[in-house]
Amino acid sequence: QKEVEQNSGPLSVPEGAIASLNCTYSDRGSQSFFWYRQYSGKSPELIMFIYSNGDKEDGRFTAQLNKASQYVSLLIRDSQPSDSATYLCAVPRRYGNNRLAFGKGNQVVVIP
Amino acid sequence: NAGVTQTPKFQVLKTGQSMTLQCAQDMNHNSMYWYRQDPGMGLRLIYYSASEGTTDKGEVPNGYNVSRLNKREFSLRLESAAPSQTSVYFCASSEAGRQRGEKLFFGSGTQLSVL
Repeated sequence: QKEVEQNSGPLSVPEGAIASLNCTYSDRGSQSFFWYRQYSGKSPELIMFIYSNGDKEDGRFTAQLNKASQYVSLLIRDSQPSDSATYLCAVPRRYGNNRLAFGKGNQVVVIP
Repeated sequence: NAGVTQTPKFQVLKTGQSMTLQCAQDMNHNSMYWYRQDPGMGLRLIYYSASEGTTDKGEVPNGYNVSRLNKREFSLRLESAAPSQTSVYFCASSEAGRQRGEKLFFGSGTQLSVL
């Protein structure tokens, strides 16, 4: 199993709907999780991080962590065309000086 | 507030040529990083510098060298470019938050093509 996996293909959602992205991780002892957003041709920017089990909400974004099942989700409520981007999940490598391991990303397309 | 500045934005090299990518941050961060991003591969860490005076290899260091010139600047050098090094390169910085992982701030990227 790869360290961080984001398997689903491009996600198309209508404007105003909820976009749901999943990320699975292999290290059961992982403690913190990061979501970065990357617009096409631009650099990644941090939009959310979560350290504990459960949910964390920040504006229209909610991160949900399920340690038992080893996945972290990102929900985007009331999706806007400006949310069209690739979302990267990242998890610190506990045995690599905590440097981040990134997933390949999930592309979201919000259709007006 | 410039954040993380990297130059150049675009570069075309011939196989065997050398070049240095420059990166500077003005956020007083201790840690700096170089990543490459390839289609279907995600972001991969080339080298990082946890603090001034230290550098360490990441996932894909072969063919690269780095220099942490001072706290602000971290350069990446390709001594003999190969077509496999065609990629988008990102510099990043973070505070020293190793307990829980880093919150990275990225530069705008360098698109490098090696012919």
